[in-house]
Amino acid sequence: SQQGEEDPQALSIQEGENATMNCSYKTSINNLQWYRQNSGRGLVHLILIRSNEREKHSGRLRVTLDTSKKSSSLLITASRAADTASYFCATEAGGTSYGKLTFGQGTILTVHP
Amino acid sequence: NAGVTQTPKFQVLKTGQSMTLQCAQDMNHEYMSWYRQDPGMGLRLIHYSVGAGITDQGEVPNGYNVSRSTTEDFPLRLLSAAPSQTSVYFCASSYSIQGANEQFFGPGTRLTVL
Repeated sequence: SQQGEEDPQALSIQEGENATMNCSYKTSINNLQWYRQNSGRGLVHLILIRSNEREKHSGRLRVTLDTSKKSSSLLITASRAADTASYFCATEAGGTSYGKLTFGQGTILTVHP
Repeated sequence: NAGVTQTPKFQVLKTGQSMTLQCAQDMNHEYMSWYRQDPGMGLRLIHYSVGAGITDQGEVPNGYNVSRSTTEDFPLRLLSAAPSQTSVYFCASSYSIQGANEQFFGPGTRLTVL
């Protein structure tokens, strides 16, 4: 079963707007990661946030993590048409699950020029 | 560095045929994984390896075998292909940075089983 549930499933915005995607998970984690997938391509790592961190920034990306609610959000500011892609959250549980990622179903983001 | 490479890019099989999907990485990563991606299902872990000679099952291992004889290579074998195995297969590699693994993905193999 999928660890992560993402919403919305699809998001359509205009260039320059901000895009927010949410991810919820079920079990305790070591870290949570966000990946991007352009159509027909492999996934590319965007950002990783550890369980003891609450917020992290990378360029136009801002990730938050609330372990009490088992949820995370990815904010892309000042979006561009080139940000059009699918975005996935993935959790790494640690312990005996060390090195294994469990992915959510993804959010399809479309940014209109 | 070529990163993670996968061959073939596309494959069509008939039910019951067997084949091996190849995966190689040149980053000396200790961890390697195989995922399948189906529409609306995200990625599901098939098998993974924490080092040469060590493999373990993921969420959907049935119908697939793996082995890891070298750090670089992690082939995925389909024993007797079934239409339910029609999917896009991704290989990934990673190494631990202070207890966290960022994965590097290959371009994928699109498999159709008739």
